[in-house]
Amino acid sequence: DAKTTQPNSMESNEEEPVHLPCNHSTISGTDYIHWYRQLPSQGPEYVIHGLTSNVNNRMASLAIAEDRKSSTLILHRATLRDAAVYYCILNSSAGNNRKLIWGLGTSLAVNP
Amino acid sequence: NAGVTQTPKFQVLKTGQSMTLQCAQDMNHEYMSWYRQDPGMGLRLIHYSVGAGITDQGEVPNGYNVSRSTTEDFPLRLLSAAPSQTSVYFCASSTGLAAYEQYFGPGTRLTVT
Repeated sequence: DAKTTQPNSMESNEEEPVHLPCNHSTISGTDYIHWYRQLPSQGPEYVIHGLTSNVNNRMASLAIAEDRKSSTLILHRATLRDAAVYYCILNSSAGNNRKLIWGLGTSLAVNP
Repeated sequence: NAGVTQTPKFQVLKTGQSMTLQCAQDMNHEYMSWYRQDPGMGLRLIHYSVGAGITDQGEVPNGYNVSRSTTEDFPLRLLSAAPSQTSVYFCASSTGLAAYEQYFGPGTRLTVT
């Protein structure tokens, strides 16, 4: 099963951009890259996902490397409410592979 | 829409007791999953379902049973609770899996003494 590697923690200042990296060197061609975040005492919340092309939505942007072995979640202007644990996971569309591996994620602190 | 709801929010069990964690979604999603989250570990998949009447095991299925008699409900049963099952349990649903976002419930915090 493909795994992801993320830094344990990162820090940002409010209203500045944040780039959260994720390495997934064993990604397969059918793996989608998903990002979720989890605020304290809440369930995970979907942020964004992509396969090959960069993606944008109202919450964030996802930049995917050309070889797909890494990706970066971009929060354009961090707010205090963005302080959370961010998870990068691979989600396979191949067959019935449902053994999703979440990892520990990156704990993002946002300074006022 | 209420989204994904879970009951109870908190539960304390004694070793050997059984109970059912309830999960329901009102989005007509085919896919539903149960995860557990322990300190210092990522979410781990327990069981999942790709539709009514179809379930399968995830990464850590031992000690848990599931059934899916309706699209809306996906209960998780602990047959004989053990302290190792102390955890926070999350239910999630999605239209599909790989290319779709999962919606998570608020979680059930279970303590087994």
